[in-house]
Amino acid sequence: KAGVTQTPRYLIKTRGQQVTLSCSPISGHRSVSWYQQTPGQGLQFLFEYFSETQRNKGNFPGRFSGRQFSNSRSEMNVSTLELGDSALYLCASSSKGAEAFFGQGTRLTVV
Amino acid sequence: LAKTTQPISMDSYEGQEVNITCSHNNIATNDYITWYQQFPSQGPRFIIQGYKTKVTNEVASLFIPADRKSSTLSLPRVSLSDTAVYYCLVGVRAGNNRKLIWGLGTSLAVNP
Repeated sequence: KAGVTQTPRYLIKTRGQQVTLSCSPISGHRSVSWYQQTPGQGLQFLFEYFSETQRNKGNFPGRFSGRQFSNSRSEMNVSTLELGDSALYLCASSSKGAEAFFGQGTRLTVV
Repeated sequence: LAKTTQPISMDSYEGQEVNITCSHNNIATNDYITWYQQFPSQGPRFIIQGYKTKVTNEVASLFIPADRKSSTLSLPRVSLSDTAVYYCLVGVRAGNNRKLIWGLGTSLAVNP
């Protein structure tokens, strides 16, 4: 069974640009969550999607958004990038509240 | 809202047992405790999960006292490959949904 796949693995963007990250969950998993990880803040929850609906949302500005498609694949978008958005963005999928399986993440660097 | 607190770092030697304690003072009755392991540049990996007393699997044990205000992850006979960051998190019910509250993690260094 394939694991959670995130693309791209690495990304460099300049301030003011926007970026879209993709996550393909484990087959059969309908819940997809996104996290931002930085050295100083640890893992911070961004949002969770279940069956194409946002179910939970963390405390991030509106520049951070996401969506989930009918095949459970998910994307997150960050608009008007700031230097502080540089981080490892992690996606996790789960089935019916069971353990979450994480992808390897997308390392975003904003310059 | 439940919050977790754990030591920032720990040091150990190969072959030793390592115990990492996490505090979660406001955990509710129906919340569960989960531990994840993370290596550099990789996503966290599930280790163990429990509600109360003791849970054991092939890699670790989880001890939860009766008051459930803390929990202890026990790693038996650690090896160099166990050097990683260990996260304690609490699952919290929010209406019909569930949120995971992550701690800042404990960086474990296993020395030869």
